Amino acid sequence: KAGVTQTPRYLIKTRGQQVTLSCSPISGHRSVSWYQQTPGQGLQFLFEYFSETQRNKGNFPGRFSGRQFSNSRSEMNVSTLELGDSALYLCASSIPTADTQYFGPGTRLTVL
Amino acid sequence: DQQVKQNSPSLSVQEGRISILNCDYTNSMFDYFLWYKKYPAEGPTFLISISSIKDKNEDGRFTVFLNKSAKHLSLHIVPSQPGDSAVYFCAASDVSSNTGKLIFGQGTTLQVKP
Repeated sequence: KAGVTQTPRYLIKTRGQQVTLSCSPISGHRSVSWYQQTPGQGLQFLFEYFSETQRNKGNFPGRFSGRQFSNSRSEMNVSTLELGDSALYLCASSIPTADTQYFGPGTRLTVL
Repeated sequence: DQQVKQNSPSLSVQEGRISILNCDYTNSMFDYFLWYKKYPAEGPTFLISISSIKDKNEDGRFTVFLNKSAKHLSLHIVPSQPGDSAVYFCAASDVSSNTGKLIFGQGTTLQVKP
């Protein structure tokens, strides 16, 4: 079974721009969660989607948003990029009735 | 408020010996715990998990112990191998809340010396 895939793997943007990251979960997994990893804050939960609905959101500003499609693929969007948004963005998928999340390789976002 | 803590930023052990990584949590609602292994610029790889109804779970060289009264869990790796060198994260969730949210510790960097 293929793992979680994320595109693109690397991205360079400038302040004020917006960015969209994509995540394809493991086949059969319907829950997708997003996390941000930075050296200072570690791995922080952004939000989780199940059946195209956001079930939970972490403590991030409204510039961070996401959505999930009917095939369980998910996208996250960051608008008006700031330097502090530079991070590794990780997507994880799970079967909702199971509790283990499996992570993709991440998207490294650099904001200049 | 850091609900999951890994107080040792780094650990160095000799190949063949036991590695013990520790994790403490504060939220008594957590009922599912996981350990992940991570290399730089890659996503975390799931290693092993434990439910709060158990106190031990084994998978090959990896064993996780849970002490609910102390709100403490540990990961034992026996025997340690150089390929185990990586950052290890413990994570916790409140499964009953159905939020799909994992709370991670800050990580422990394990170095296994040949």
